[in-house]
Amino acid sequence: GQQVMQIPQYQHVQEGEDFTTYCNSSTTLSNIQWYKQRPGGHPVFLIQLVKSGEVKKQKRLTFQFGEAKKNSSLHITATQTTDVGTYFCAGITNNNAGNMLTFGGGTRLMVKP
Amino acid sequence: NAGVTQTPKFQVLKTGQSMTLQCAQDMNHEYMSWYRQDPGMGLRLIHYSVGAGITDQGEVPNGYNVSRSTTEDFPLRLLSAAPSQTSVYFCASSSGGLGEQFFGPGTRLTVL
Repeated sequence: GQQVMQIPQYQHVQEGEDFTTYCNSSTTLSNIQWYKQRPGGHPVFLIQLVKSGEVKKQKRLTFQFGEAKKNSSLHITATQTTDVGTYFCAGITNNNAGNMLTFGGGTRLMVKP
Repeated sequence: NAGVTQTPKFQVLKTGQSMTLQCAQDMNHEYMSWYRQDPGMGLRLIHYSVGAGITDQGEVPNGYNVSRSTTEDFPLRLLSAAPSQTSVYFCASSSGGLGEQFFGPGTRLTVL
């Protein structure tokens, strides 16, 4: 089954409101990556977190990696219509096929102007 | 640089037909991979390659074959298309293995 889970699956916000998506893994991750996919587009890399408890900021976006390296979050302050899209987290997991980058199911963000 | 390119952009197949989805990158990346994207399922890894001549299975490899004869190209072959293979297929490449992935624009495949 899916080892990297994301919640919520969908989120509607009014422009200017904040938004947070959460990523949880059943196993410890060596790192966590975040991607954004605009409607009709392809995933685009945003950031990678490696250290336990790491926090990184990109303008209005704040990324956190949990102390146990099993969870992560992406927080957007004061959303804009340009933030619309699906946000995916991805972590390195290990199964019978070896190490691979496993994506969460994504959180689709819709922003009402 | 064109980055990662994929052809075709759209394809409709009948059940049982075979076809090859093309993927190429001009960034001299060693690591390439194929994902399929289905609603609510995120991106699931089909096959990957760590370099020319080397391929391995991902999470959902059944019904698909790959080969990696050159660093640049990583085609995905559907042997006998099934409706369950209706999906959007993304190719990705990376210079650092499981680091930042660069995705192609995708191929939207419908199997009737």
